Amino acid sequence: EIVLTQSPGTLSLSPGERATLSCRASQSVSSSYLAWYQQKPGQAPRLLIYGASSRATGIPDRFSGSGSGTDFTLTISRLEPEDFAVYYCQQYGSSPPRTFGQGTKVEIK
Amino acid sequence: EVQLVESGGGLVKPGGSLRLSCAASGFTFSTYSMNWVRQAPGKGLEWVSSISSGSSYIYYADSVKGRFTISRDNAKNSLYLQMNSLRAEDTAVYYCARDLTSGGIYYGMDVWGQGTTVTVSS
Repeated sequence: EIVLTQSPGTLSLSPGERATLSCRASQSVSSSYLAWYQQKPGQAPRLLIYGASSRATGIPDRFSGSGSGTDFTLTISRLEPEDFAVYYCQQYGSSPPRTFGQGTKVEIK
Repeated sequence: EVQLVESGGGLVKPGGSLRLSCAASGFTFSTYSMNWVRQAPGKGLEWVSSISSGSSYIYYADSVKGRFTISRDNAKNSLYLQMNSLRAEDTAVYYCARDLTSGGIYYGMDVWGQGTTVTVSS
């Protein structure tokens, strides 16, 4: 069973700063099968990144994804006020077919 | 407009049953895999179940296997989750979400419903 571990649990940053979020898999994950989501309080998650590095429709280019194998990263180049939220990575595979990480909260410092 | 709308949540006693529905509109429902994802109060996202476009492939999280049943009716553009033997730990907001894998690429869960709340309590 693939387990995704996100770090840090909470990231305290100021608007304009760079955010780097990590997602580590317990087994190798195809980069084609790794996605990132943003969730704000009281809202459904929103797809940001698929295929580890491709931005979903309408996602600003300050969001970027990278990584391969067991280590993946979501980077927000310059935090805007609306970017403070919880971020989840997710893998698609065979065992189990879909798994989410536990999330990283990006909060205002 | 591409939309998913869940319904059927509510308060149920432990051991009880509930059937969730998800109505799809604005896209060709029959070409997408569909998922149920839940979120317990104050917790993260938990994948619950998936069903392929033609219902050939069905998967469940270990936490719900044997108690929940996912199904779909492509003629009605609808997804369902039959939940039996409910437990307190099943209390959560339940979201339906579509996803797509094509050409060796997983395109992620790109459309989500607003969620329906299930509370299991005596």
